[in-house]
Amino acid sequence: DIQLTQSPSFLSASVGDRVTITCRASQGMSSYLAWYQQKPGKAPKLLIYAASTLQSGVPSRFSGSGSGTEFTLTISSLQPEDFATYYCQQLNSSPFTFGPGTKVDIK
Amino acid sequence: QLQLVESGGGVVQPGGSLRLSCSPSGFTFSNYAMHWVRQAPGKGLEWVALITYDGSSQYYADSVKGRFTISRDNSKNMLYLQMSSLRAEDTAVYYCAKERTGYYIDYWGQGTLVTVSS
Repeated sequence: DIQLTQSPSFLSASVGDRVTITCRASQGMSSYLAWYQQKPGKAPKLLIYAASTLQSGVPSRFSGSGSGTEFTLTISSLQPEDFATYYCQQLNSSPFTFGPGTKVDIK
Repeated sequence: QLQLVESGGGVVQPGGSLRLSCSPSGFTFSNYAMHWVRQAPGKGLEWVALITYDGSSQYYADSVKGRFTISRDNSKNMLYLQMSSLRAEDTAVYYCAKERTGYYIDYWGQGTLVTVSS
């Protein structure tokens, strides 16, 4: 099974900051990785799929990169509505595990 | 407008069974694989199960394998999760979710709460 870790687990940032979240896989995989944003009490929202493809309707300040075992989600200029928890998920092989999440909070 | 509506959650005793349902609308259900994902109170997301578009293949998390069964009825436009031998650690909000392609999840339901407690 592929295990995912995320770093940091918690991030405190200000509006306008550039933010990078890393997702590491326990074994090499292709680019079958997605990033989701979740706000309290709400269902998650797809941001990025196939490691770097922006989902329709998602602002261009979000971007993804990586391959193999290391992937990153970058928010180029943090906006007030971006304070949330972010999860990666691998779709390379079953079980299709999620990372533990990164909470982005207001500094 | 695409919607996924879960139902069937509730309180069940340890060792009991429950069947969750998901009613999709706004897209051609039979063309897409579907997931169940859960989230325990205050915890992260946990993938539970996936069924392919035609129901021919199912995949499960190790934590539920042998206890949960995912199924679908494309003629009725319904997705199900049959849960048995329930444990306290199965307590969570259960989300039904649709794939876009490649199993990536692009739409989620609002979730249904399952509480396993005596």
